[in-house]
Amino acid sequence: NAGVTQTPKFRILKIGQSMTLQCTQDMNHNYMYWYRQDPGMGLKLIYYSVGAGITDKGEVPNGYNVSRSTTEDFPLRLELAAPSQTSVYFCASSTMDEQFFGPGTRLTVL
Amino acid sequence: GDSVTQMEGPVTLSEEAFLTINCTYTATGYPSLFWYVQYPGEGLQLLLKATKADDKGSNKGFEATYRKETTSFHLEKGSVQVSDSAVYFCALNSGATNKLIFGTGTLLAVQP
Repeated sequence: NAGVTQTPKFRILKIGQSMTLQCTQDMNHNYMYWYRQDPGMGLKLIYYSVGAGITDKGEVPNGYNVSRSTTEDFPLRLELAAPSQTSVYFCASSTMDEQFFGPGTRLTVL
Repeated sequence: GDSVTQMEGPVTLSEEAFLTINCTYTATGYPSLFWYVQYPGEGLQLLLKATKADDKGSNKGFEATYRKETTSFHLEKGSVQVSDSAVYFCALNSGATNKLIFGTGTLLAVQP
């Protein structure tokens, strides 16, 4: 039981490039989330999903897209990367009682 | 909207000192309240939770009581260890989709 896994761990992008952050969970959770963590700012919700085929915007969705074709996978897509997207990205899945977090992806946009 | 406010860090303590990290919240309805811990280079882990007023969550010597009258959920530990050095986040869940709203986090540094 690996829990929530994220790849890659680190990535450096140039302005205008695109990439996909991968997230997979093996706990059969319906709910999944993407957060970004900026220094001193806590975690902000980017997108979330309540099940395969259903996604919705969180607090800071601009510049990102998501899809949820299976229960296990919830990739986050960055189109046209900007320096403001430099952050640590966390994926999570949850039961109704607890969210389980992945180890994070540290992204730098230069 | 719902929000969480927690005390600014960093908090620096000597080993075996008493710890309090303050957390207050604003919410409609009756949210569940959480403390998460983030060790260096890792993701967040649930430390403890409380789901209704007057509930006390506890784990690993940490405690927090859900105080509806003061809208607070302060984290306490009687005797901290160096291994407790981490960032602590207070959070509440918002709505049926179990979305979490986090405070800004408090860095705790415990010195031997």
